[in-house]
Amino acid sequence: SAVISQKPSRDICQRGTSLTIQCQVDSQVTMMFWYRQQPGQSLTLIATANQGSEATYESGFVIDKFPISRPNLTFSTLTVSNMSPEDSSIYLCSVPGSRTGVGDGYTFGSGTRLTVV
Amino acid sequence: AQSVAQPEDQVNVAEGNPLTVKCTYSVSGNPYLFWYVQYPNRGLQFLLKYITGDNLVKGSYGFEAEFNKSQTSFHLKKPSALVSDSALYFCAVRAWFSGYSTLTFGKGTMLLVSP
Repeated sequence: SAVISQKPSRDICQRGTSLTIQCQVDSQVTMMFWYRQQPGQSLTLIATANQGSEATYESGFVIDKFPISRPNLTFSTLTVSNMSPEDSSIYLCSVPGSRTGVGDGYTFGSGTRLTVV
Repeated sequence: AQSVAQPEDQVNVAEGNPLTVKCTYSVSGNPYLFWYVQYPNRGLQFLLKYITGDNLVKGSYGFEAEFNKSQTSFHLKKPSALVSDSALYFCAVRAWFSGYSTLTFGKGTMLLVSP
């Protein structure tokens, strides 16, 4: 299965600023997914990122707040813009476990723990 | 819409005893079910999956899960718990989002294994 390098692993940011999170995959993948895990909560899908097209955002998430880039098949970034304390969460990227589809599950990055003060 | 429910926020068990972490699902069609574990300050790690075949699925670290279609359940089990098993466990099901399939997760169950 794919190996994902996600960074930064954690950061403490001032409100009103932006943070860009990076995920690098060791193989080419068509789709990458970005999740948010708020404190004490489950994972919620933010958006799906395909190379060469705009990301598809889920209900409650908008591009202006969470712009995503997908310049190639091994890399993606998620930016958390104009941060407020409510954005304090763990952000994770994910890719399908194999080219053959969901049967091999999904691989997750190690997560970025964001604290906004 | 596909969903999973984990009815317990926390499960406490003594080391050496069997453990069960419960999960029920709601899907249309055949379910693709998964269990993941999250250790403190770590990402999600895949434990096991059920796609088709035997109802008893064996996974990593001695964990197994039993798929029960009539009860729409996919409980995680281990015959003998270790203190190192203490972590947050998530049940997940394949779901469709905006034309793409990925996972939707339960709220998680904290497993605490006491020495």
